[in-house]
Amino acid sequence: DQQVKQNSPSLSVQEGRISILNCDYTNSMFDYFLWYKKYPAEGPTFLISISSIKDKNEDGRFTVFLNKSAKHLSLHIVPSQPGDSAVYFCAASGVNSGYALNFGKGTSLLVTP
Amino acid sequence: DAGITQSPRHKVTETGTPVTLRCHQTENHRYMYWYRQDPGHGLRLIHYSYGVKDTDKGEVSDGYSVSRSKTEDFLLTLESATSSQTSVYFCAISESGGVNEQFFGPGTRLTVL
Repeated sequence: DQQVKQNSPSLSVQEGRISILNCDYTNSMFDYFLWYKKYPAEGPTFLISISSIKDKNEDGRFTVFLNKSAKHLSLHIVPSQPGDSAVYFCAASGVNSGYALNFGKGTSLLVTP
Repeated sequence: DAGITQSPRHKVTETGTPVTLRCHQTENHRYMYWYRQDPGHGLRLIHYSYGVKDTDKGEVSDGYSVSRSKTEDFLLTLESATSSQTSVYFCAISESGGVNEQFFGPGTRLTVL
């Protein structure tokens, strides 16, 4: 059963606007969350992470928000750029899974000029 | 970029033949992982290693075996390849198994006919 869910397979945003990618999880033991970006024919690239003791983490144009009570996290990209067009994977881990990463199915983001 | 290479990058084989994929790292990281990526499934963990000769199963380990005789190399073997093992395989590394991001290799595209 999928423990990390990305319910939007795709998202299209205009350049300069905000992109919001969402992720839900079911395992309350997860305590570390990551976002990866993937271009075609390449491996996933680490983007940003957040620990369960925080509710927000920022790195340049990328901000991840964590709502533990709702078991929900989101990635905000502001402003969006055409080079951000890629597949974004949400991942979660916890001590009871040996810190192996549990991935969502990904959301394909298209940023149009 | 983390020093991770995978070989071969592409392989086509026939059902029933053995196949070995190699992951090589130059980062001296303790943890290494094998994932597969399939449409509609995101990335799923096959096996991982937490040290030389120390390995454990992941979510989709059936039909796969691994070996790690040196820190830098992690081998994934399909003893008798099946069409359901057609996939893109990614190797990843991390410094520890705790709260730590994983860095991914470029992937191996395997087709089993």
